[in-house]
Amino acid sequence: GNSVTQMEGPVTLSEEAFLTINCTYTATGYPSLFWYVQYPGEGLQLLLKATKADDKGSNKGFEATYRKETTSFHLEKGSVQVSDSAVYFCALRDNTGGFKTIFGAGTRLFVKA
Amino acid sequence: DAGITQSPRHKVTETGTPVTLRCHQTENHRYMYWYRQDPGHGLRLIHYSYGVKDTDKGEVSDGYSVSRSKTEDFLLTLESATSSQTSVYFCAISESSLGQFYEQYFGPGTRLTVT
Repeated sequence: GNSVTQMEGPVTLSEEAFLTINCTYTATGYPSLFWYVQYPGEGLQLLLKATKADDKGSNKGFEATYRKETTSFHLEKGSVQVSDSAVYFCALRDNTGGFKTIFGAGTRLFVKA
Repeated sequence: DAGITQSPRHKVTETGTPVTLRCHQTENHRYMYWYRQDPGHGLRLIHYSYGVKDTDKGEVSDGYSVSRSKTEDFLLTLESATSSQTSVYFCAISESSLGQFYEQYFGPGTRLTVT
């Protein structure tokens, strides 16, 4: 079945450091991939998405590239800010007829000033 | 922001009592979902709906039931609450067009404590 595996947290970085959160997936067909972000006390918000191989999703300085050969969708940001502290979820949706989304366990990011 | 509200936002209840959580949307989206979020488990799908009166079970549906009598409302009921159902519950919505399914939008969550 479909699954998403992302690196365990928490990840603690200093402000302006480079961020990578790893995400790999297992899926039948050709899934769409997503990163969601959850700030304290709030629901999940879509951060970025990619719908086919080699697509790059980007938003608010975050980027992720859909790599079919390595079944990965790693999240990166060149210079993190304290305001980026949140929980990040990698997710996939199998486009072969399903409308359900499978979520990873989430990775908590702490950014220190 | 997508128009999704959840009520109540916080609830404390006793073991064995029934509890109903409400999700209301103003986006006219076809699909609605209930998830629970617990440390170490991410989000787990409880039930979902693909239209009025059309619902199905997710991966953790035991002890929960749902109803959708109108496009805009999706109710989650715990028939007899247990301590293992203490969690944060999120509602989500999504839409599709011409076979293309779009991303989910989430409500603010309901924190439920069963004592």
